[in-house]
Amino acid sequence: DSGVTQTPKHLITATGQRVTLRCSPRSGDLSVYWYQQSLDQGLQFLIQYYNGEERAKGNILERFSAQQFPDLHSELNLSSLELGDSALYFCASSVTGTPGTQYFGPGTRLLVL
Amino acid sequence: AQSVTQLDSHVSVSEGTPVLLRCNYSSSYSPSLFWYVQHPNKGLQLLLKYTSAATLVKGINGFEAEFKKSETSFHLTKPSAHMSDAAEYFCVVSDRAGGSQGNLIFGKGTKLSVKP
Repeated sequence: DSGVTQTPKHLITATGQRVTLRCSPRSGDLSVYWYQQSLDQGLQFLIQYYNGEERAKGNILERFSAQQFPDLHSELNLSSLELGDSALYFCASSVTGTPGTQYFGPGTRLLVL
Repeated sequence: AQSVTQLDSHVSVSEGTPVLLRCNYSSSYSPSLFWYVQHPNKGLQLLLKYTSAATLVKGINGFEAEFKKSETSFHLTKPSAHMSDAAEYFCVVSDRAGGSQGNLIFGKGTKLSVKP
C-alpha cells in the first residue's frame, strides 16, 4: 500500500458527460501528479501540482482540468468525454516537486460508453 | 528531450532462470532513471532508482540495474526469476526539460511472463 488513495476505483459513463476523479496524496507529500494509461498511448503524464499550484503540464487535453486543494488532495476533471478517454488514470505523489520517487495510487478505471 | 526505449515488449523466462529487461535512454541532462513494476490490476511500484550515485543500483525483490552512460542503457536484471515476478515493468526517466520539475516519462513497458 503506497499511501496514495484514489476514488472511485471504477467509473462508467456516457460520451459527452463530465466526471471528477479524486486523489489523496501520502501524508506529508506536497506534489501530486496525474497520469493516463491506455492501450494505445501507454502511460502518459498529464499534469503536476505542487502545494496548490500548477507546476508542469504534459499531454493534457483542454477538456481536462485539475486542481489541488489546501488540504493537498487533488481532483482531475474530465469533460465532454469521448470513447477514447477510456483509460486507467493514476495519481502519484512525492515529497517535493523535483525529480525523485513517486508513489502511485491504485488508479481509477474509466469506461466511456 | 528525454525518452526511454524498452527493447522488448514481452519477455518469457522459466522460474529460477535469470531475468534481463532492456532499456535505453536519451537525455540531454544527467538523467534520473527508474524502474517501476505494475502487477495485474494494481498501481505502479518503484523497484529501484538511479540518481547519479553508484552506477549499480539494487532494488527490491532481488532486482538490480546498471547505469551505463557509454551505452545509454539502464537494463534491469534478476539472477533467479520467481513466479511472483510476472508483471509489467516500466523503464522511466525523470523529465527535466523546459523547467519541468520531476514528472516521469515512461517507456512502453515490458511484460514479463514466468513459466513454472
